[in-house]
Amino acid sequence: DIVLTQSPGTLSLSPGERATLSCRTSLSVSNTYLAWSQHRPGQAPRLLIYGASNRATGIPDRFSGSGSGTDFTLTISRLEPEDFAVYYCHQYGSAPLTFGQGTKVEIK
Amino acid sequence: QVQLQESGPGLVRPSETLSLTCNVSGGSISPYFWSWIRQSPGKGLEWIGYVFYSGSTYYNPSLRSRVTMSVDTSKNQFSLKLHSVTAADTAMYFCARGGGRLRYIDYWGQGTLVTVSS
Repeated sequence: DIVLTQSPGTLSLSPGERATLSCRTSLSVSNTYLAWSQHRPGQAPRLLIYGASNRATGIPDRFSGSGSGTDFTLTISRLEPEDFAVYYCHQYGSAPLTFGQGTKVEIK
Repeated sequence: QVQLQESGPGLVRPSETLSLTCNVSGGSISPYFWSWIRQSPGKGLEWIGYVFYSGSTYYNPSLRSRVTMSVDTSKNQFSLKLHSVTAADTAMYFCARGGGRLRYIDYWGQGTLVTVSS
């Protein structure tokens, strides 16, 4: 299985600041089959990014994804109050599909 | 907007079968892959497997011997059965769209907590 390692585990930031989240994979993810989702308590998780850098429908442009091979990044350019949540990456290029352990973005 | 809603017992006894159903609204079951994912308390997300709208399946090898998934296109629903459960199967269970053959997870349910206890 491909292991995904997210860092940091927790990011403490203020609204308006920039968030940079990392997702590293144990093997190269073919064709950038890497996605990011946002998880908030009591809500259905939401897809943000697929194919490493493509924003899902309706996702604000303050969210951006980049990377290839084994090193991927999710950037939130200016944090809004609703962005404080847990973010997970998942790879879907190799079965079984696997997730990172998550990065919690909390209010400083 | 596609919406998914899990349903099923919140408490299952050890050695019995956990059974959950996911109702899909706002879109058709066809022609998509449908996954089950779980998250144990304090742990990460684990993909359990997928069922295709045609009924074909793929299960995570870690759970393959105990999992059965099925789909009912007439009801726009799909289901999960996890056999011979133990306390280690206590988790939040999510249904989702995608996860099969190079398809990302794009829609999720809110999740349902299942506790395994006598």
